[in-house]
Amino acid sequence: DAKTTQPTSMDCAEGRAANLPCNHSTISGNEYVYWYRQIHSQGPQYIIHGLKNNETNEMASLIITEDRKSSTLILPHATLRDTAVYYCIVRVFNDYKLSFGAGTTVTVRA
Amino acid sequence: DSGVTQTPKHLITATGQRVTLRCSPRSGDLSVYWYQQSLDQGLQFLIQYYNGEERAKGNILERFSAQQFPDLHSELNLSSLELGDSALYFCASSVTSSGSTYNEQFFGPGTRLTVL
Repeated sequence: DAKTTQPTSMDCAEGRAANLPCNHSTISGNEYVYWYRQIHSQGPQYIIHGLKNNETNEMASLIITEDRKSSTLILPHATLRDTAVYYCIVRVFNDYKLSFGAGTTVTVRA
Repeated sequence: DSGVTQTPKHLITATGQRVTLRCSPRSGDLSVYWYQQSLDQGLQFLIQYYNGEERAKGNILERFSAQQFPDLHSELNLSSLELGDSALYFCASSVTSSGSTYNEQFFGPGTRLTVL
């Protein structure tokens, strides 16, 4: 699986959009970008995934660059409950496991 | 609530002992995955079962074993426990074994194992 690079941490103001970058410059054509988050030692929670088109669901939006070498997860209106570690994972579509890196610790401040 | 249940929530035991962690997947999910999260190693995939059969192995020690029963619940057995086995152990489940792009995994709340 391609390796991902994320900032170690970032702060965000409550009510503002949080933009979380992820670099995956070695991504191959059959690899998807997945985002999960983990709130304080709870089980990781699926957020969104995509291949090459931008995706949006009730939790977030995923913007993937045209060359697919990087992506951005957007939390449109961050709340205090969005404080968590966010993991960007690149995964072959028929792979079983999720390979978690260190992720980005996002702190939403009032 | 993901629909995945794990028992017990906490487990404290001594070195050299054996413990069993239990996981019930979401209704309808055939795949069960086990992950270990320790402070120094992060979240690591251990093993996956699909409909009772082992499908993939990750960084699982030989002292650890797992199985999935006909009712699809799974157990992770940890034996000859060492201090370094202290960690959070998560179970996850998904509908399919592989191939689907919607094969997202739903995680349980975890079992916190402390080996003294």
